[in-house]
Amino acid sequence: NAGVTQTPKFQVLKTGQSMTLQCAQDMNHEYMSWYRQDPGMGLRLIHYSVGAGITDQGEVPNGYNVSRSTTEDFPLRLLSAAPSQTSVYFCASSYSNTGYGYTFGSGTRLTVV
Amino acid sequence: KQEVTQIPAALSVPEGENLVLNCSFTDSAIYNLQWFRQDPGKGLTSLLLIQSSQREQTSGRLNASLDKSSGRSTLYIAASQPGDSATYLCAVRPADDTDKLIFGTGTRLQVFP
Repeated sequence: NAGVTQTPKFQVLKTGQSMTLQCAQDMNHEYMSWYRQDPGMGLRLIHYSVGAGITDQGEVPNGYNVSRSTTEDFPLRLLSAAPSQTSVYFCASSYSNTGYGYTFGSGTRLTVV
Repeated sequence: KQEVTQIPAALSVPEGENLVLNCSFTDSAIYNLQWFRQDPGKGLTSLLLIQSSQREQTSGRLNASLDKSSGRSTLYIAASQPGDSATYLCAVRPADDTDKLIFGTGTRLQVFP
């Protein structure tokens, strides 16, 4: 089925460990983004990309890295996990930055202990 | 800084009621506004997108209105059903930075039989 696929669905990390959250879409969308969702704070934009090879920072980029080597994939890297990064992470994609066809993945629930 | 507020935070209504969810934003300079639905443990699904030049959009039993000058949007759900139970989020796209989407914290709706 067409859509946005996120892996893993659940992850527990120890403080200081690194990991990569995977995001892939098969809709040929140019725009991709990562959000984190915390209780009482809504979704906040971490990083986004308007096309392969182009990335930029969102509202809360510290502690996260991204790259976009292909149109399909947009991985999010945590370099040294901290308890403050415990959250639910969502990847989303759309045809452009204007919102049409906005599609979200089902999320990755990350716990840092 | 753009801020998006949704009131009430939670709402419980009997099946069949017509209901209104509210969204307000502090900066009227928006490109568009979107309403999303989020089911527990799932990603977001885009419901309606209203361009800044539009007053309303309709999809089935859903109708979203936009009053940009007063910084308000409402989502009207007609003849509510238990299947409408979910969290509803609104988000605005700033006119001067359309790469970003700023979310409210959502209204958790429960429709009971």
